[in-house]
Amino acid sequence: DIQMTQSPSSVSASVGDRVTITCRASQDITKWLAWFQQKPGKAPNLLIYAASSLQSGVPSRFSGSGSGTDFTLTISSLQPEDFATYYCQQANTFPITFGQGTRLEMK
Amino acid sequence: QLQLQESGPGLVKPSETLSLTCTVSGGSISSSPYFWAWIRQPPGKGLEWIGSFYYSGSTYNKPSLKSRITISVDTSKNQFSLKLSSVTAADTAVYYCARQADYNALDFWGQGKMVTVSS
Repeated sequence: DIQMTQSPSSVSASVGDRVTITCRASQDITKWLAWFQQKPGKAPNLLIYAASSLQSGVPSRFSGSGSGTDFTLTISSLQPEDFATYYCQQANTFPITFGQGTRLEMK
Repeated sequence: QLQLQESGPGLVKPSETLSLTCTVSGGSISSSPYFWAWIRQPPGKGLEWIGSFYYSGSTYNKPSLKSRITISVDTSKNQFSLKLSSVTAADTAVYYCARQADYNALDFWGQGKMVTVSS
């Protein structure tokens, strides 16, 4: 199985801050990577697919980059509604695997 | 707008079989080129993919669960189902169904169904 490792596990930030979350795959997944936002009691919401493509309806302050084994999710200017948990997901190869999550908390 | 809705018992006894159904509306489960998936999330923990299938028959399951999983589809009802046998407390989780789209990203999700395994 491809292991996905996110860092940091948690991060504290303020409204207006720029935040970057990283995800590393244990082997090359080219660009088969997605990012999700999950709020308590809700299903995950797709933000980014194919490593850098913004899902329809997602604000442009979210962006993704990377290929191969190293990927990043950047929130350019944090808004109050962005405090949530973020997951990366690889789908280059079955079984699909997720990172362990990054909790974004208000400072 | 595509919508998915999980249904089934919220409480299952240990050693019995968990059975859930995902009903899809606003689109056809037979639409190419989509896979459909089951994912679960134990309380307070991360996301775990369970399995995916294509309506024509291709199925992929998580290896550690493979012997216990059955995923089936009823195209006439636009539904797909998950059966997980011999459950234990470790199978307690919120179970989600979802669609796999471009680059296998999971773009539409159901609201989730909490299933507790307890006697």
